[in-house]
Amino acid sequence: GENVEQHPSTLSVQEGDSAVIKCTYSDSASNYFPWYKQELGKRPQLIIDIRSNVGEKKDQRIAVTLNKTAKHFSLHITETQPEDSAVYFCAASGGGSNYKLTFGKGTLLTVNP
Amino acid sequence: KAGVTQTPRYLIKTRGQQVTLSCSPISGHRSVSWYQQTPGQGLQFLFEYFSETQRNKGNFPGRFSGRQFSNSRSEMNVSTLELGDSALYLCASSATGAVTYEQYFGPGTRLTVT
Repeated sequence: GENVEQHPSTLSVQEGDSAVIKCTYSDSASNYFPWYKQELGKRPQLIIDIRSNVGEKKDQRIAVTLNKTAKHFSLHITETQPEDSAVYFCAASGGGSNYKLTFGKGTLLTVNP
Repeated sequence: KAGVTQTPRYLIKTRGQQVTLSCSPISGHRSVSWYQQTPGQGLQFLFEYFSETQRNKGNFPGRFSGRQFSNSRSEMNVSTLELGDSALYLCASSATGAVTYEQYFGPGTRLTVT
């Protein structure tokens, strides 16, 4: 089945800096890659996603890139703010893992004021 | 539209008991997935239902089961509870149940097994 590795597990940045979180996946047939943000005690919230026919997608300060050949995708957050502090999860779906999301272990992002 | 809702929000059970959790998807959504979230294992897929049919199942023992009703509401059941079943159980709904479509999560049910 699909396996998703996520790095780093923790990331601390200064307000205004950029943050990058990277994920790799194992199933070359996977074709959908969402990112979720989970604040303490809250539900995971979909913040951006990308499909395999697209190499990059941007939404204001957040962008995701996908390299299908290398089977990795990354989340980029620019001009970080304290409210960006949360756990971020990447996930993969499709191919042999239809109808389910396989998640990475998460990255705890701390943005220091 | 109202978001995904789950009941109850908190549960305390003892080993050996069984529990039923409920999930109401976003209106119009026909796919419901269930996930278990623990600090050690992260988010793990349990199963997914679409139009009352289970289409995929994760690697959990048979004590974990689920079903979906004609109104798309879903329930999951855990029998013979073990201490290791303590976790946050999240459901997520998706609009069409297509292979690659956005999933929106509910607030979860926090299950504690003592």
